[in-house]
Amino acid sequence: KAGVTQTPRYLIKTRGQQVTLSCSPISGHRSVSWYQQTPGQGLQFLFEYFSETQRNKGNFPGRFSGRQFSNSRSEMNVSTLELGDSALYLCASSSRAVQETQYFGPGTRLLVL
Amino acid sequence: GENVEQHPSTLSVQEGDSAVIKCTYSDSASNYFPWYKQELGKRPQLIIDIRSNVGEKKDQRIAVTLNKTAKHFSLHITETQPEDSAVYFCAASYNSGNTPLVFGKGTRLSVIA
Repeated sequence: KAGVTQTPRYLIKTRGQQVTLSCSPISGHRSVSWYQQTPGQGLQFLFEYFSETQRNKGNFPGRFSGRQFSNSRSEMNVSTLELGDSALYLCASSSRAVQETQYFGPGTRLLVL
Repeated sequence: GENVEQHPSTLSVQEGDSAVIKCTYSDSASNYFPWYKQELGKRPQLIIDIRSNVGEKKDQRIAVTLNKTAKHFSLHITETQPEDSAVYFCAASYNSGNTPLVFGKGTRLSVIA
């Protein structure tokens, strides 16, 4: 099976802009989680989608949003970008439950100038 | 909510020695504890996990122990090799299987040949 893919891999934006990141899970996986990874902060949970519904949400401001499509592909959007949003954004998929192996994508590295 | 603390943040060992990474969690309801390994520039990958009905689990040179009373769990790597050099993340979640994973901030392990 093909692994989790994310596009784009790299992105440079300026403050105030918005950005949309995409994640394609492993075929058959219905759960997609998003994480923000920054040096020293580890992996911080953004949200999780299952069958097109947001099942869990982390402690991030409303500027961060997401959605999932009927084919399980997921997107996350960040509006009004701030310098502090610069990070590696990882998505992970699992078959159904969070307590199964999470398969991570390669990430999208976002730089906000 | 759940909080996971991980120590040490960096660890250097000589090749062939053992390495131990410790994590503590706050929510006594947590019942699933995975460990992920992230090599430089690569995506995190699950290396081992343990559930609360088990005290120890071993897979070749890697073992994880869980102390539910003290609310801590540890990763043990024996006979370390240079390819073990990576950042290791512990995580915890509870429930039904659908509560998000809460990750520790990671331990950078360097194995010196």
